[in-house]
Amino acid sequence: GQQVMQIPQYQHVQEGEDFTTYCNSSTTLSNIQWYKQRPGGHPVFLIQLVKSGEVKKQKRLTFQFGEAKKNSSLHITATQTTDVGTYFCAGRRDAGNMLTFGGGTRLMVKP
Amino acid sequence: EAGVAQSPRYKIIEKRQSVAFWCNPISGHATLYWYQQILGQGPKLLIQFQNNGVVDDSQLPKDRFSAERLKGVDSTLKIQPAKLEDSAVYLCASSRQGGVTEAFFGQGTRLTVV
Repeated sequence: GQQVMQIPQYQHVQEGEDFTTYCNSSTTLSNIQWYKQRPGGHPVFLIQLVKSGEVKKQKRLTFQFGEAKKNSSLHITATQTTDVGTYFCAGRRDAGNMLTFGGGTRLMVKP
Repeated sequence: EAGVAQSPRYKIIEKRQSVAFWCNPISGHATLYWYQQILGQGPKLLIQFQNNGVVDDSQLPKDRFSAERLKGVDSTLKIQPAKLEDSAVYLCASSRQGGVTEAFFGQGTRLTVV
């Protein structure tokens, strides 16, 4: 079956430092999505990537989709305490297919 | 636009008892998902509906879990009988067909089996 893995599992950073989480799929994906889950909350959609090699930016967040459409990354520049939470990638093998989540990367930011 | 509604928010049951969760997706969303999220892990897809048909239920433990989506709107997820390892948050999500198919999640039901 389709597997989506994320590293690292946890990341502690000092406020102002950068942060990156990596996502790898066992199969080629039709698209990949990123979600953020605050402690005690539910996953909230951040972005969807569809094209091979696609790069999208949202303020301090940069999302990339690999050329082979099997991996992706999320980079946060100059982290803030509001960035605290767990970041999940989620992929679909085919459009309309099951949405499989990775294990997530928990980001902790020290002020 | 109203979000995904789930009930109850919390449930504590003894092992071997039964429990049911209810989900009302966002109006017009054709796809409905049930995820199980164990503490510290990512959401695990249990079942995905497209309207009232099942798209995937390969990870649903069918000997004890069942789900239905009558008339392609509301959905219920049932566990019978519950085991200790079923303690988790059960998340319902919905998405529209086509375009950016982001999943909108409900607040979840936190189940504790004792």
